[in-house]
Amino acid sequence: AQSVTQLDSHVSVSEGTPVLLRCNYSSSYSPSLFWYVQHPNKGLQLLLKYTSAATLVKGINGFEAEFKKSETSFHLTKPSAHMSDAAEYFCVVSGMNTGFQKLVFGTGTRLLVSP
Amino acid sequence: DTGVSQDPRHKITKRGQNVTFRCDPISEHNRLYWYRQTLGQGPEFLTYFQNEAQLEKSRLLSDRFSAERPKGSFSTLEIQRTEQGDSAMYLCASSGKATFYEQYFGPGTRLTVT
Repeated sequence: AQSVTQLDSHVSVSEGTPVLLRCNYSSSYSPSLFWYVQHPNKGLQLLLKYTSAATLVKGINGFEAEFKKSETSFHLTKPSAHMSDAAEYFCVVSGMNTGFQKLVFGTGTRLLVSP
Repeated sequence: DTGVSQDPRHKITKRGQNVTFRCDPISEHNRLYWYRQTLGQGPEFLTYFQNEAQLEKSRLLSDRFSAERPKGSFSTLEIQRTEQGDSAMYLCASSGKATFYEQYFGPGTRLTVT
């Protein structure tokens, strides 16, 4: 079975400071990992993905994540937060165990950005 | 707009009524997924279609739920005899043959059962 644990339900930062959203995964085989962002009243948007290529993955809007197999982690970072980054972020694991891409979502981390 | 669309965006219904939601995927995508998201939780997988074939269903999908994708294009999700516990956001996503690992989500249908 696959699962992800998002270690913080809320993270608060000031605009211009770094962002760190933590995620640990569990998978019995080589996983694909994703971060999605959900703004209020908008659909989930894919930020970035890891699919067994480079372990440091760059995404949209300046976000990046590093896959660390030894730590089973896939933390999301951004050097400098912007007010528009305030949203809910989901860490997601997937694997082609049945020939399709079933996504398993974490419970989410709400990012709050203050001026 | 060429993204995934869902209709309606909001639905309020009384317990015991039937409701139907529609999803229109990105036009060239052959894979379609339904998820359910309750307050404070991440989305949970409900069912998956490849073209018109429903290939996987979660145990979350009780007998009151049925999904179809008759011509391999749009999909419908019907809930019969709604219960208060069905109140949630119902999300649709699609992915293509070449980028099957990237799912694109619609804005969702928020169902409230009173």
